[in-house]
Amino acid sequence: EAGVVQSPRYKIIEKKQPVAFWCNPISGHNTLYWYLQNLGQGPELLIRYENEEAVDDSQLPKDRFSAERLKGVDSTLKIQPAELGDSAVYLCASSLDTYSPLHFGNGTRLTVT
Amino acid sequence: RKEVEQDPGPFNVPEGATVAFNCTYSNSASQSFFWYRQDCRKEPKLLMSVYSSGNEDGRFTAQLNRASQYISLLIRDSKLSDSATYLCVVKRNAGNMLTFGGGTRLMVKP
Repeated sequence: EAGVVQSPRYKIIEKKQPVAFWCNPISGHNTLYWYLQNLGQGPELLIRYENEEAVDDSQLPKDRFSAERLKGVDSTLKIQPAELGDSAVYLCASSLDTYSPLHFGNGTRLTVT
Repeated sequence: RKEVEQDPGPFNVPEGATVAFNCTYSNSASQSFFWYRQDCRKEPKLLMSVYSSGNEDGRFTAQLNRASQYISLLIRDSKLSDSATYLCVVKRNAGNMLTFGGGTRLMVKP
């Protein structure tokens, strides 16, 4: 079974530039999550999708962050404009449903200079 | 106060040692509990769920104390390959809302 696929693996941008991350969940997984992980800390939820509906985006900084999952499969997370403090690893995860374990992708490491 | 708290470590132990980590959680509505393992520059992976009666998986034993709101992970006969960060995770019944602790770093040395 293919795992959660994320791209790019690494991204370096200058502040105030836009950036986008892409996630392809495990086939058949209805629930998709975006997490942010800072160095030395645990992952923090940004947004959770049930199919194409965002059911929990309370932690997403909506002034600069946006996400979409148009067909209930792939998802993109965008930051515009990026700030220095956005440097972190952005993890995507999926689960079969809301009761099943999460499977994480290997993340996108963002560096904002 | 964070919802899930862990000692960040690092715990430096020799091969073969027994090591235990604790984790405390503040939300009494938490329903399910897990330990995830995260290797350096890798994604977190589920290590084991934690059941009320305690559970064991090989060299790993997890326990839950609801009254005191803490979870523990015991690793016996540590291997070099156990070196990683161990993340304590709690879940509330609302959806699949997982809250991660900051992780405890374990380094097993020869």
